[in-house]
Amino acid sequence: ELKVEQNPLFLSMQEGKNYTIYCNYSTTSDRLYWYRQDPGKSLESLFVLLSNGAVKQEGRLMASLDTKARLSTLHITAAVHDLSATYFCAVDPRPSGTYKYIFGTGTRLKVLA
Amino acid sequence: NAGVMQNPRHLVRRRGQEARLRCSPMKGHSHVYWYRQLPEEGLKFMVYLQKENIIDESGMPKERFSAEFPKEGPSILRIQQVVRGDSAAYFCASSRGYGEKLFFGSGTQLSVL
Repeated sequence: ELKVEQNPLFLSMQEGKNYTIYCNYSTTSDRLYWYRQDPGKSLESLFVLLSNGAVKQEGRLMASLDTKARLSTLHITAAVHDLSATYFCAVDPRPSGTYKYIFGTGTRLKVLA
Repeated sequence: NAGVMQNPRHLVRRRGQEARLRCSPMKGHSHVYWYRQLPEEGLKFMVYLQKENIIDESGMPKERFSAEFPKEGPSILRIQQVVRGDSAAYFCASSRGYGEKLFFGSGTQLSVL
């Protein structure tokens, strides 16, 4: 069974600090997604990583993918309060014959002013 | 271009009642996916449908749960004889085709009293 694990599960950090969220998965995959979810809201797509070594950046967030290590990271630079949310990674487990995402457990980030 | 529309936003049912959750995909999208999110957990895949066809229902409980995506109208996730354990947020997503990016709706929060 494919497993997707994130750590940490909870992260409280000061504004201006840097930190990394890790996403490990247990089977081969070359598609990984990062989503943001605010309380009571839907998921907002942040990044789509499609190949080994892919790196994408948007503002203070940068995501990378290492398919050999089965690891993706989401790096936060100089955090601000607005980044407080829950962040999910999701793996596309193809070729499974069907299309569905397997989500990680989520990392709840709280940025303290 | 409206996004994925789900209704109702909140649904309260008593044990033993039926719950019907609706999802209208984005314009031009013919693939629909249902996910369930329990409190403090990530989303878990339930079912993948195309128009008039269930492609993958491996995440659906074998009893009480059913889904459809008729030729006309929204996709429906139906839960018969609800129990307290069915309380969760149910998210629908749609995509233009197989392997295409998923877009999520705002979810339906089901509360079973």
